[in-house]
Amino acid sequence: GQSLEQPSEVTAVEGAIVQINCTYQTSGFYGLSWYQQHDGGAPTFLSYNALDGLEETGRFSSFLSRSDSYGYLLLQELQMKDSASYFCARGGDSSYKLIFGSGTRLLVRP
Amino acid sequence: DAGITQSPRHKVTETGTPVTLRCHQTENHRYMYWYRQDPGHGLRLIHYSYGVKDTDKGEVSDGYSVSRSKTEDFLLTLESATSSQTSVYFCAISESGTVNTEAFFGQGTRLTVV
Repeated sequence: GQSLEQPSEVTAVEGAIVQINCTYQTSGFYGLSWYQQHDGGAPTFLSYNALDGLEETGRFSSFLSRSDSYGYLLLQELQMKDSASYFCARGGDSSYKLIFGSGTRLLVRP
Repeated sequence: DAGITQSPRHKVTETGTPVTLRCHQTENHRYMYWYRQDPGHGLRLIHYSYGVKDTDKGEVSDGYSVSRSKTEDFLLTLESATSSQTSVYFCAISESGTVNTEAFFGQGTRLTVV
């Protein structure tokens, strides 16, 4: 199996920190990436993890634990513009496939 | 912005008619993908291509076919459209086809089958 599981919705307050989790099935795992999609827009790449640990890119960080088949996206100092859907993605049974989770809708409140 | 264009952007078609969506890129990327996006299902891979004339099925390929006769164009065809194929379709391109490489998405095609 290659599916990825994410919470459907998360709500947080402006200025806060939020974590969006992603669990995956281990067969043919090639790494985990994260994408952001605003309503009506196209997905855009945020980050990637091949190895265990934390990758930081500005206010966004992504973490991977291969032993736990688990990763998360951490958004700090939340801003209203961070309200969007966030998708984790993985390589498929051949590394050329790019398989996405069902997405987490983040709502940032004032 | 990556040069990737989808056409048409919007289409309404009748059940049973054939429909072709086009994805055109100017980046010379080897890998191209077609996804559909429906509420609650995220992005589901329909078909992908790893080179000219080289394609393979994704998660939800039934009812869809693809062709890639040139590096820059990847066509998605619905042979006989059904209402269940009403969706937003996204094309994506990738230089290496691996998950660690950024995939660039087109702006999407909203298809309605009535």
